[in-house]
Amino acid sequence: KQEVTQIPAALSVPEGENLVLNCSFTDSAIYNLQWFRQDPGKGLTSLLLIQSSQREQTSGRLNASLDKSSGRSTLYIAASQPGDSATYLCAVVRVRSGNTGKLIFGQGTTLQVKP
Amino acid sequence: DVKVTQSSRYLVKRTGEKVFLECVQDMDHENMFWYRQDPGLGLRLIYFSYDVKMKEKGDIPEGYSVSREKKERFSLILESASTNQTSMYLCASSSGGRGIIQPQHFGDGTRLSIL
Repeated sequence: KQEVTQIPAALSVPEGENLVLNCSFTDSAIYNLQWFRQDPGKGLTSLLLIQSSQREQTSGRLNASLDKSSGRSTLYIAASQPGDSATYLCAVVRVRSGNTGKLIFGQGTTLQVKP
Repeated sequence: DVKVTQSSRYLVKRTGEKVFLECVQDMDHENMFWYRQDPGLGLRLIYFSYDVKMKEKGDIPEGYSVSREKKERFSLILESASTNQTSMYLCASSSGGRGIIQPQHFGDGTRLSIL
């Protein structure tokens, strides 16, 4: 059974700091890994998707890496801003999902960036 | 941009009522998904559909059914609402159909309270 874990559950940093969010998964047989952002009371916004054959993806100040063999992914946020405050979720699609695209989510890391 | 629209942001219903949650996507996506999100449990897949009139059970289908009569619309039905179905419900869609894994795009969610 695939389990996805995100540590820490909550993080508070001063504005301008670079930070790393961690995601680990127990079954390395995945199609891809996706990072999402969720603002309070809202739905999920897709940030980055890494295919199983890729090592990293970048979008603006965000960089996501994937190490499938060790079952880990990190989301790096450079020069954090108060607008980055949100909950960040990672999710994987298992190879053994029967080609359904079913996502398995971590519990999320709630980030607060203080001005 | 992909637009996934859920008909209600907030909904209050009574125990035993039949409840319909509607989701519409405007990008001609083949796949549509219903999740619920609960504190401490994260997001869990209820049902999904990879084509019109097709549906498959997710991890927690009990007490729910779905309908997909048109490609753009996926409805979640609570046959007889109970208090343990109070939750945030999120709809998502993705392109490609069964066997093609593409990013999922989410709506803003419906916060449902069952009294």
